[in-house]
Amino acid sequence: DQQVKQNSPSLSVQEGRISILNCDYTNSMFDYFLWYKKYPAEGPTFLISISSIKDKNEDGRFTVFLNKSAKHLSLHIVPSQPGDSAVYFCAASARLGSQGNLIFGKGTKLSVKP
Amino acid sequence: DTGVSQNPRHKITKRGQNVTFRCDPISEHNRLYWYRQTLGQGPEFLTYFQNEAQLEKSRLLSDRFSAERPKGSFSTLEIQRTEQGDSAMYLCASSLRGQGAGYTFGSGTRLTVV
Repeated sequence: DQQVKQNSPSLSVQEGRISILNCDYTNSMFDYFLWYKKYPAEGPTFLISISSIKDKNEDGRFTVFLNKSAKHLSLHIVPSQPGDSAVYFCAASARLGSQGNLIFGKGTKLSVKP
Repeated sequence: DTGVSQNPRHKITKRGQNVTFRCDPISEHNRLYWYRQTLGQGPEFLTYFQNEAQLEKSRLLSDRFSAERPKGSFSTLEIQRTEQGDSAMYLCASSLRGQGAGYTFGSGTRLTVV
C-alpha cells in the first residue's frame, strides 16, 4: 500500500500561471516532507521542505502548504516558467530532521508551455 | 566538490551475471543512501550508511544484493545472479546528519538485464 500518493501523473500549465502539485499521505507518523524535481537523465534535486510544526514554507517562486488534518500537502509554483518542466516527487519521513529514509510518491510530470 | 558521483552511468548485463556499482558521495557527508527507481515509480529505499555502518536495509534488498561503504567514503552496491526484474535506475544520495534540507542525489546508474 502506497504511503505517499501523487494522484496526478501529469499537469500542463501555461507560462506565467500558477502550478499546483498535490500529494497525500497515509502514515500519521510522517513529520517531515520534501519536494524534489527531476529532469531526464539526472538524479532528483531537492526543492523545498516543510516540517509538521509548520503549515507553510516559502522559497522564492515555490511554496509548500501542509494540511495535517487532511494528510495533504501541495506545492505551488508561481509564476510557472518553461524551465520548471520536470517530474516532481513528493517525499516524507517519519524522523524529523534526522534524515531517516524517505518514502517517495510516484511523481507528477509538469509541463509549462510558453 | 562536484556533488555525488555514480559509475557507471549505464550497464547492460546478461541474466545471471554479477554487477557492481560505485557511488562517491559529497566528501563531508556522513550519510549515504541507495535507492532504486523503476519506470513510472518514485525512488524506493534500499539501504543507508552512517559513516561505514550500514544502519538500515529495506526488505527490497534481497540476499542477492549487498552494499558496502569501507572507511566511510565511497560505497559499492553489488547484485549477484541478476534477474530481469533488477532492471532499474539505481540512485545514490548523501546527506549531512541533521541537515534537514534533503539529500543530494547522483545521476544514477541505469541497469538493463537482458
